[in-house]
Amino acid sequence: NAGVTQTPKFQVLKTGQSMTLQCAQDMNHEYMSWYRQDPGMGLRLIHYSVGAGITDQGEVPNGYNVSRSTTEDFPLRLLSAAPSQTSVYFCASSSWTGSYNEQFFGPGTRLTVL
Amino acid sequence: KNEVEQSPQNLTAQEGEFITINCSYSVGISALHWLQQHPGGGIVSLFMLSSGKKKHGRLIATINIQEKHSSLHITASHPRDSAVYICAVRKNTGNQFYFGTGTSLTVIP
Repeated sequence: NAGVTQTPKFQVLKTGQSMTLQCAQDMNHEYMSWYRQDPGMGLRLIHYSVGAGITDQGEVPNGYNVSRSTTEDFPLRLLSAAPSQTSVYFCASSSWTGSYNEQFFGPGTRLTVL
Repeated sequence: KNEVEQSPQNLTAQEGEFITINCSYSVGISALHWLQQHPGGGIVSLFMLSSGKKKHGRLIATINIQEKHSSLHITASHPRDSAVYICAVRKNTGNQFYFGTGTSLTVIP
């Protein structure tokens, strides 16, 4: 199993550009989520999904869109990049057995917005 | 105020020392998750627990639900244990995890 994969590993954008961060998992996990990690702060939830076709906002959703058309994929879209979105982005997934289990994380995407 | 607080923020230890990292939280939770983030950035799950104690190799995690407190212990520490250790809690309501800011551990040979 590849686990949770993310692409790209690094990305530089100019203010106003849009892009999609890709996330995929091959563990048939119901729950998938996107976090951003900034210096001096804990991981913060952007959006999450509890299954195909179901998404919800987390703590910091503004400026980001998600969709979940399949169990495996959960892309994160930046609509119009801003310097405040410079961060490291992690995708994670977990299974459900009456409650959500431990999360498995992707390797991260380091995004810089100029 | 962050709902999850970790202490210490930074910790330096000599190889072989016993290490304790603490996590306190202010909300009702259904589970607590300890994670390890290596200098390269990757995050791996260590433990997920809702009561009592779990052990894996040299790592031990305990939780006291009444006191809203968890500890991560490392016995016979080794330089390869150098990493950031992160505590996260899942509230009783909802599907979200809330994360502490991490404890940066350096183990010196």
